[in-house]
Amino acid sequence: AQTVTQSQPEMSVQEAETVTLSCTYDTSESDYYLFWYKQPPSRQMILVIRQEAYKQQNATENRFSVNFQKAAKSFSLKISDSQLGDAAMYFCAYGRTSGTYKYIFGTGTRLKVLA
Amino acid sequence: DGGITQSPKYLFRKEGQNVTLSCEQNLNHDAMYWYRQDPGQGLRLIYYSQIVNDFQKGDIAEGYSVSREKKESFPLTVTSAQKNPTAFYLCASSTPGQSLYEQYFGPGTRLTVT
Repeated sequence: AQTVTQSQPEMSVQEAETVTLSCTYDTSESDYYLFWYKQPPSRQMILVIRQEAYKQQNATENRFSVNFQKAAKSFSLKISDSQLGDAAMYFCAYGRTSGTYKYIFGTGTRLKVLA
Repeated sequence: DGGITQSPKYLFRKEGQNVTLSCEQNLNHDAMYWYRQDPGQGLRLIYYSQIVNDFQKGDIAEGYSVSREKKESFPLTVTSAQKNPTAFYLCASSTPGQSLYEQYFGPGTRLTVT
């Protein structure tokens, strides 16, 4: 069975600085997707960035980028030029691409942005 | 606009009563999911359905039931057998192979049972 681990329950970053959120996962599958979702105080889940396992190039979306290390089963999220609006819970998720299309979520990291 | 609706946003029930949470999507997605969210525990899968008239138990299905009679609807019933039903419930949908497997989420329902 697949598992997703986020070992940082809470992180803080100064506005305009860079922060990295960690995520590790375990799977025996070779093809899958990885996601970072943001959940602000409104509790609406918002997709931040996704990575296809068969792509070696790390995904980027504006100020958000990932460091995908497939062999190490690591998928960290880097937020550059942090803004107050980035304060939220961040969830790492694993998505299967075959069989039962389940998603497995980590326990989340609460990010605080300090003005 | 396409999306997922969950109603109501807040729901209050007395202990011992069954309650049904609504989830509707107009994204034409095949798969739908119900998650429960508790502080410090992330999202835990309750039930999911990949096609109409079929659904599977997730990791914490005990005390819950679902139906999938229409593609766009996936209601969740929290029964009196659920020992600790107070939580935030999220519904999601996706179509494998489309939108790079992204899950789309509804706004959630906060259920309080006293």
